[in-house]
Amino acid sequence: KAGVTQTPRYLIKTRGQQVTLSCSPISGHRSVSWYQQTPGQGLQFLFEYFSETQRNKGNFPGRFSGRQFSNSRSEMNVSTLELGDSALYLCASSPGQFLFSEKLFFGSGTQLSVL
Amino acid sequence: AQTVTQSQPEMSVQEAETVTLSCTYDTSENNYYLFWYKQPPSRQMILVIRQEAYKQQNATENRFSVNFQKAAKSFSLKISDSQLGDTAMYFCAFIQGAQKLVFGQGTRLTINP
Repeated sequence: KAGVTQTPRYLIKTRGQQVTLSCSPISGHRSVSWYQQTPGQGLQFLFEYFSETQRNKGNFPGRFSGRQFSNSRSEMNVSTLELGDSALYLCASSPGQFLFSEKLFFGSGTQLSVL
Repeated sequence: AQTVTQSQPEMSVQEAETVTLSCTYDTSENNYYLFWYKQPPSRQMILVIRQEAYKQQNATENRFSVNFQKAAKSFSLKISDSQLGDTAMYFCAFIQGAQKLVFGQGTRLTINP
């Protein structure tokens, strides 16, 4: 099976722009979650989708949003970019049926730089 | 709020040695799961080992084992016969619900030849 695929790998944007990141989960996985990784804040949970519905959300401003399509692919969007949004954005997938015990499979991330 | 603390920002050992990474956590839940994830330079997080809180037996995966002390809320990772490929960032994590992992700040582990 192919792993979790995130595109693009690298992205450079300027302040005020918006950006869309894509994540294709492992075939058959219905849950996709997103994490932000920065040197200062570490790894923080953004949100999780299961069967096109957001099940859980982290403590991020409304500029961060996401969605999931019927084929389980997910996108996250950040509007009005700020310098502090520069980070590695990681996506993870899992079957999604067992909320607490499932192994998450991560992609290699999208490195976003905001100038 | 649930928190995860890794008190060792960096560690370095020689190849073939045994190393233990520390992790403590705070939760009011009684049933939960704890994880150790590895992040090599490729950036992809890889699950190393998983522990179910209701199981008293410590989890093991080949050279990796944990020392789970539920009362002390401690969850350390032991790597035996360390290899160069074990060089990575290691994150302790606690699951809070619906794939919402709460991560520690990480320990950068270097295995020297």
